[in-house]
Amino acid sequence: DTEVTQTPKHLVMGMTNKKSLKCEQHMGHRAMYWYKQKAKKPPELMFVYSYEKLSINESVPSRFSPECPNSSLLNLHLHALQPEDSALYLCASSQGPSQFFGPGTRLTVL
Amino acid sequence: QKEVEQNSGPLSVPEGAIASLNCTYSDRGSQSFFWYRQYSGKSPELIMSIYSNGDKEDGRFTAQLNKASQYVSLLIRDSQPSDSATYLCAVNVAGGFKTIFGAGTRLFVKA
Repeated sequence: DTEVTQTPKHLVMGMTNKKSLKCEQHMGHRAMYWYKQKAKKPPELMFVYSYEKLSINESVPSRFSPECPNSSLLNLHLHALQPEDSALYLCASSQGPSQFFGPGTRLTVL
Repeated sequence: QKEVEQNSGPLSVPEGAIASLNCTYSDRGSQSFFWYRQYSGKSPELIMSIYSNGDKEDGRFTAQLNKASQYVSLLIRDSQPSDSATYLCAVNVAGGFKTIFGAGTRLFVKA
């Protein structure tokens, strides 16, 4: 298995909802990442997990809560989001410096 | 502030021509350099990585790195309409997990 998978592909949620994004990789990669990408902008790093431990938190608001249950899975829990949080959320994994992205979850916050 | 700069384009080339995409970076300690292709509405796809000065070729793609000039480029030979996409230059901050992305160059290949 040489890919990163993400579910759901699309998500629409209200500002009071709680939802979760899921990411999975079976390449044995040691690092997993969450990025946020707005239209016509580059991906912005949110979180990095290395060996299931949070290594980088790019000062992301607490309404985004990452979780790494095991070396293959990465979740992003969402609560009380704002409309400006609508974006493409990308998961990536890496063993060395090269990062491989999943297809992303298109999130719309109403 | 570590930065990666790209010309946003759009860069328009005719089918069969060579497309040349350029990128500069500010952190002299950077060691790893990448080019990603991103189609509209899709996620970035890694197409080239380069770690040492010089050229690296993979099919129709050639990446060029000049660390002294802090410059990375991507050449696409025999450009095809299917190459029309945004190309993101990315630079890995030395020794860490953080990769800085440029804003991307939009490429249009006209049939």
